[in-house]
Parts: sequence; structure tokens; C-alpha cells
Amino acid sequence: AQTVTQSQPEMSVQEAETVTLSCTYDTSENNYYLFWYKQPPSRQMILVIRQEAYKQQNATENRFSVNFQKAAKSFSLKISDSQLGDTAMYFCACYNQGGKLIFGQGTELSVKP
Amino acid sequence: EAGVAQSPRYKIIEKRQSVAFWCNPISGHATLYWYQQILGQGPKLLIQFQNNGVVDDSQLPKDRFSAERLKGVDSTLKIQPAKLEDSAVYLCASSFAGNSPLHFGNGTRLTVT
Repeated sequence: AQTVTQSQPEMSVQEAETVTLSCTYDTSENNYYLFWYKQPPSRQMILVIRQEAYKQQNATENRFSVNFQKAAKSFSLKISDSQLGDTAMYFCACYNQGGKLIFGQGTELSVKP
Repeated sequence: EAGVAQSPRYKIIEKRQSVAFWCNPISGHATLYWYQQILGQGPKLLIQFQNNGVVDDSQLPKDRFSAERLKGVDSTLKIQPAKLEDSAVYLCASSFAGNSPLHFGNGTRLTVT
């Protein structure tokens, strides 16, 4: 079975600083994809960043980057220069070849002015 | 492109009543998903359609939940009869195919009293 674990229920960071959200996963698949989604109070899930498991290079999207450690099954999200608009729930998710997307429990991030 | 449309946005019903949610995916997206998100938790996959066929409904409580995707486009999720523990946000998502990212709607918040 595929599982995703986020061990930090809540995190806070000062505006303009850097924060890292942790995620570990378990899957028996060889080919899979990892995602971080952001869910603001509006409830809509917004894709933040995506990583293909077969790629060794860590994905980067503007202020967002990941640290993908395949052997350790770890997939952390780093947010640089945090902004007030980054305040939201963040979900780590694992997607296998069958098209099934499994989410972690979420981390509530608060960016403080 | 237009996003995933869901309605209604909010619904309040009494236990033992029935309720239906509607989802219209992004045009051309073959795969459609329904997720249940209980407050404070990550989304849980209820059912996944590929065109008008069911790919995975292993976590759908089939004694009370049903879903259909006639003609392989829009979809309806029904609960009959509702229980208090069904109170949650119901998210619909769609993807083009295979390893394409999921696009989510704004969800329907259901409250069962």
C-alpha cells in the first residue's frame, strides 16, 4: 500500500525567511511522482511543485524547491523568502502509474509579518 | 482554460437525508476523481473514473455512497442516507491522462446535523 506521512501538523515562519516542510512516503512502485499542493482557506488545491522519481535533480519553481532523497523516501519542500500569501495548508502527495494520488495529513503553515 | 466546476459550494442536511454533488471536469480530461476531506485531514480518494468506467472505488462506502460519470464527462456523487460522520469537504479533480497533474475544483462543504 502507498502511504504518505507529514509529521509536522503546524509550522510558522517570519515573513521573508525560509521554512522547510517534511514529508516521507512509502510505495512499492518504481515509477511514481511526488507533489506538493497548497490549500488556502478557499479550499482549492493548488499545485506547488512536482518531482518525477526517475529524475535525480531536485525540482525548483521560483521560491519553492524540494529536497528529494529517493533512498530515504523523503520529499521535503523549502519555501524561500516566505510571503504572507504562502499561509495555507500544504499537502504532500504521491502518484503512481495507476493514476492514484495519495495525500499526507497536511502541514498548516503560518507566515507572520 | 476553464477549471474544474463543482456545485453546490455548501450544503447542510439532516442525518438520514440524501444529497448529491455535481462536478464538471476540465474539457478533454479523461480521468475524474472524487475525494473526501474531513476537517484537519488530508483528502481521501473515494472513487476514480477513467472516461465513464470505474478504475478504483475501494474506499467508497458503497452501502450509502454512489457515483456515476455518464458519457464520460461530468459526474455526480450521491450520499443516501447521510450520517453525521459524512460531514466533510468533497473535492472533485480531473487529469488529462497518466502522469498528468490533477486539477481540483473548489469543493463542496457538507454539514450533516
